[in-house]
Amino acid sequence: DTGVSQDPRHKITKRGQNVTFRCDPISEHNRLYWYRQTLGQGPEFLTYFQNEAQLEKSRLLSDRFSAERPKGSFSTLEIQRTEQGDSAMYLCASIGGEGDRIFGSGTRLTVV
Amino acid sequence: EDQVTQSPEALRLQEGESSSLNCSYTVSGLRGLFWYRQDPGKGPEFLFTLYSAGEEKEKERLKATLTKKESFLHITAPKPEDSATYLCAVQGGAGGTSYGKLTFGQGTILTVHP
Repeated sequence: DTGVSQDPRHKITKRGQNVTFRCDPISEHNRLYWYRQTLGQGPEFLTYFQNEAQLEKSRLLSDRFSAERPKGSFSTLEIQRTEQGDSAMYLCASIGGEGDRIFGSGTRLTVV
Repeated sequence: EDQVTQSPEALRLQEGESSSLNCSYTVSGLRGLFWYRQDPGKGPEFLFTLYSAGEEKEKERLKATLTKKESFLHITAPKPEDSATYLCAVQGGAGGTSYGKLTFGQGTILTVHP
C-alpha cells in the first residue's frame, strides 16, 4: 500500500439519488475516519471506526448518512436522498500505531 | 468544544520573503496539534505533530512551534511550490472520549509569487 485510496474521485448526482463512496485505508491501519470539507473550510469530522466497530458519530451525520466497515478493512459511506447541501469533498483518513493521520485524495460530490 | 482559528485567511508572499502563519486554539486536554498542507482538489498532506508547549519541528523551509494557546508555522525563504492551503488541527482529550478525531481550522491560503 502506498496510501489511502478513495473511489470515485468525482461524483455528480441528481438531488434525491443515493450515492456510496469507498475508502481503502493503509493496510494494517485499524483506525479509520470520515471527514467532510466544503469550499474554504477545514475538514469536519463525521465518524470513526476502530476495526469494524463504529465508535463515534458526529451530530453532522444525519440519518441519511450511514457508514460501514464490515471486515475492518475498507469502509463505505452512503448518503441517501441527496440534497444540494451535501455537495462537498468527502475525505477518508487512517491512522497507524505511530499516530500519523494519512488522508486520501477525497471524493468530490456535486448534487445538481 | 474544541476550537481552532487560523490567521491570516490568505497570505501573498514574494519568493524568498519569510513569514509566519498563526493557529490559535482552545481545547480540553491537548493531545496533539497537527499541521497539514492541502493542494487544490487533493486531500491534506501531513506535515507535523506537536504535543507540548515549547516543542518545535522543522522540515525543509517549514518550522512549527507550539505554545499553550497557539502554534506558528514559520516559512523561511518560500518558493512558488510552497503555495497551498495550510491547515491546523487539534486533538483534544477531555474525558478520554475523543477517539483521536481532529478539529480543524479554516486554513490559510498561501500564494508565493516568483
